[in-house]
Amino acid sequence: DAKTTQPNSMESNEEEPVHLPCNHSTISGTDYIHWYRQLPSQGPEYVIHGLTSNVNNRMASLAIAEDRKSSTLILHRATLRDAAVYYCILRDVSGTSYGKLTFGQGTILTVHP
Amino acid sequence: DSGVTQTPKHLITATGQRVTLRCSPRSGDLSVYWYQQSLDQGLQFLIQYYNGEERAKGNILERFSAQQFPDLHSELNLSSLELGDSALYFCASSKGTGENTEAFFGQGTRLTVV
Repeated sequence: DAKTTQPNSMESNEEEPVHLPCNHSTISGTDYIHWYRQLPSQGPEYVIHGLTSNVNNRMASLAIAEDRKSSTLILHRATLRDAAVYYCILRDVSGTSYGKLTFGQGTILTVHP
Repeated sequence: DSGVTQTPKHLITATGQRVTLRCSPRSGDLSVYWYQQSLDQGLQFLIQYYNGEERAKGNILERFSAQQFPDLHSELNLSSLELGDSALYFCASSKGTGENTEAFFGQGTRLTVV
């Protein structure tokens, strides 16, 4: 499985934008970039995903580099509820992967009031 | 609420015992995934089923087994339990296995082996 690299931790202040980076230099053409987050004591939660173009949804935006070797999850206005571990995952739906999600260590986001 | 139901929420058992964890996927979801999360290993993929058939296998021990039933619920069986099997076990479901299918996770079963 192609690997991703994320900072171990990041901090933000409430109501400020947060940019969470992810490097995936070995990404293949069939890999989709997915982001999930895990709030304390809960199961992971889908945030957003994309292939080549930038994506927006009600939770966040995903900016994908032109060469697809990196991406950035953008939380436009962080709230205390956004404090979580954020996982950047390459989802391979080809071959024998059948869309399984391979989680790395993720980025622990701390949001200060 | 993700729509994925896992039971029980907590389980305490002794070493050497066998337990069964149950997962009910979201209505209409055909794919079920099992994950193990321990403090030192993070979220580890165990196994995936799609419409009753095993589709992908990860780091699942031989002492562990799973199945997906005709009504699409799934069970993860853990036997000859060891202290190191203590962990959170998550089930996730998705409509299919394609790139545009997001996975929905349950709240997990916390297993403690004493």
